[in-house]
Amino acid sequence: DAGVIQSPRHEVTEMGQEVTLRCKPISGHDYLFWYRQTMMRGLELLIYFNNNVPIDDSGMPEDRFSAKMPNASFSTLKIQPSEPRDSAVYFCASSPPGLQPQHFGDGTRLSIL
Amino acid sequence: GEDVEQSLFLSVREGDSSVINCTYTDSSSTYLYWYKQEPGAGLQLLTYIFSNMDMKQDQRLTVLLNKKDKHLSLRIADTQTGDSAIYFCAANYGGSQGNLIFGKGTKLSVKP
Repeated sequence: DAGVIQSPRHEVTEMGQEVTLRCKPISGHDYLFWYRQTMMRGLELLIYFNNNVPIDDSGMPEDRFSAKMPNASFSTLKIQPSEPRDSAVYFCASSPPGLQPQHFGDGTRLSIL
Repeated sequence: GEDVEQSLFLSVREGDSSVINCTYTDSSSTYLYWYKQEPGAGLQLLTYIFSNMDMKQDQRLTVLLNKKDKHLSLRIADTQTGDSAIYFCAANYGGSQGNLIFGKGTKLSVKP
């Protein structure tokens, strides 16, 4: 079975540029989560969706971050404009309904120069 | 706010048992999870336990839950070098699907 698929795996860009991270959840999972992992802060939940609707975006750091889920099989996390402090590993996870475990993708390692 | 705490490092010898401990603060947490992260990879679900259970065993893994003390542990029997990784404890906050609070992770080093 295909797991959660994220792209790109690595992204290096200059500050000020727009960055778009992509995620394909596991088929049949109706929850989708975006996390950010850094050494200093560990794993932080940024936003999560249920049935393509954003439920809680209180973890989104600021207005430069936005996330969309146009359909059940695709989500994006966009940073515009990007800053060096956004450098981190961004993970997408999905889960089926009913308090089931979250399954993580391999992450996107983002470096903003 | 709610929190999950773990020790940062654990070192064991190959063949020994490893015990990774975790404490959490939210008494309404209904599920508690253990994830494993290898370098450059995502978090892999190892096992999880429902809050009305005291123990769960899955091959070399044993999870113990002391709900009164809000203490969770993961025991890995016959630890192998391939078990070297970071292990994360997580609890669902407020009993909800989305609010999963993670600990900072315990880096397990297995020496041959």
